[in-house]
Formats: sequence, structure tokens, C-alpha cells
Amino acid sequence: GAGVSQSPRYKVTKRGQDVALRCDPISGHVSLYWYRQALGQGPEFLTYFNYEAQQDKSGLPNDRFSAERPEGSISTLTIQRTEQRDSAMYRCASSRGGRSPLHFGNGTRLTVT
Amino acid sequence: DAKTTQPNSMESNEEEPVHLPCNHSTISGTDYIHWYRQLPSQGPEYVIHGLTSNVNNRMASLAIAEDRKSSTLILHRATLRDAAVYYCILKVNYGGSQGNLIFGKGTKLSVKP
Repeated sequence: GAGVSQSPRYKVTKRGQDVALRCDPISGHVSLYWYRQALGQGPEFLTYFNYEAQQDKSGLPNDRFSAERPEGSISTLTIQRTEQRDSAMYRCASSRGGRSPLHFGNGTRLTVT
Repeated sequence: DAKTTQPNSMESNEEEPVHLPCNHSTISGTDYIHWYRQLPSQGPEYVIHGLTSNVNNRMASLAIAEDRKSSTLILHRATLRDAAVYYCILKVNYGGSQGNLIFGKGTKLSVKP
């Protein structure tokens, strides 16, 4: 079946603009994760959901970052008033929960100019 | 989550076995050992996980030390497609709740033809 789908693949925005990154998980996966990854670094945890409930948002860097998953399926990561330091690859992953492995999408490359 | 220590890089020859080490001296009794890998320009991909006993699957084997303070990911015959960054991650499993995975810097594996 289809994997985790993220859109857009690339996003270029000007400093100060808001951006919304979308993640469509694998059908039936109850857990959804957001990570971001700088070049040459491992993925950095941002937040995760079980169904529609946000279980852990300890990795969100500041209050400009927020995420939602209102119906327990598609999720949106929103960054308000973007800054150049927000430029990175943003990756979404989903899993069946429990000990099931995470399945990652291809990511959204965000560039803030 | 407890920390893991991995070599920054390793080299292997094609069709030879590869042993990727991971030290986790502060592991607790409920920590599972997970391995993911990330091929160039792709998202992380699940490889294997285990708790106490050695584990085998079609991709690799996981050998866990008796005291669980270290583990080794074994690729039985390296191919050029196995060139990737390999991440060793500890994750507490709370009664079925997955929680998040904290990635370190991983080991960059190069495979020579």
C-alpha cells in the first residue's frame, strides 16, 4: 500500500511568513511523529500523536511551532513567523503503535530566505 | 531515554559481514534496543529491534550482550545498497505505548566494491 505522504516536497518561504506542512500517514496507523533533520545530523524529535491526542510536544523548539491531528489521520505542522534557522528537512513518520516500527515519509525540505 | 554510543564511521567490503557496535551502559530493564538506517537522500528505515535475546530478520541480526550494556547489528553480506547511516536507539515501551525515538548521530557505513 501507499507509504507516508508528505507535502509539499519543497517549500521556500520568506522570513516572517507562516508555513504549514502536511503529513498523510499510512492508513490505520494510530501513531504519528514529526521530526526535523539538519544536514549531516540525525533526525530530531519534535512531537507525536496517538490518534488525535498529542502525547508529547517536548521537542517543539518554541511556541512558533505547533502541530495538530484533528481527526486522528492527517497531521499539519505549522511554523509561524519563520526564521532562517527553521530551514531543515521536516520528516513525518507513522506506526501501528506499541512496538511496531516507524515508517518515515520522504520529508518536506523547508528553506527560509 | 538512556544514551547510546556508536563509532562515527565504518568501512566494509562488499559481500563481507559487517558488525556495527553500539554501547548503552546506562540501559534500563525496560529499554528496547532499536536499529534504523538512513540511506542517502531518504528517510530512516526500520531494521530490527530486541530486548534481551538475539533477533534475526531478513535484513540483519541483532546480538545483545548478556548484561545488555552493548549490542551489535550484523549484516551478513554487505552490499553496496547497505551504505547508509545506522542508528542505534533505546526506547522504553510503556505498556504498549510507543513513545518517541531519540536519534543520535549514528554510524556512517561505507561499502567498497
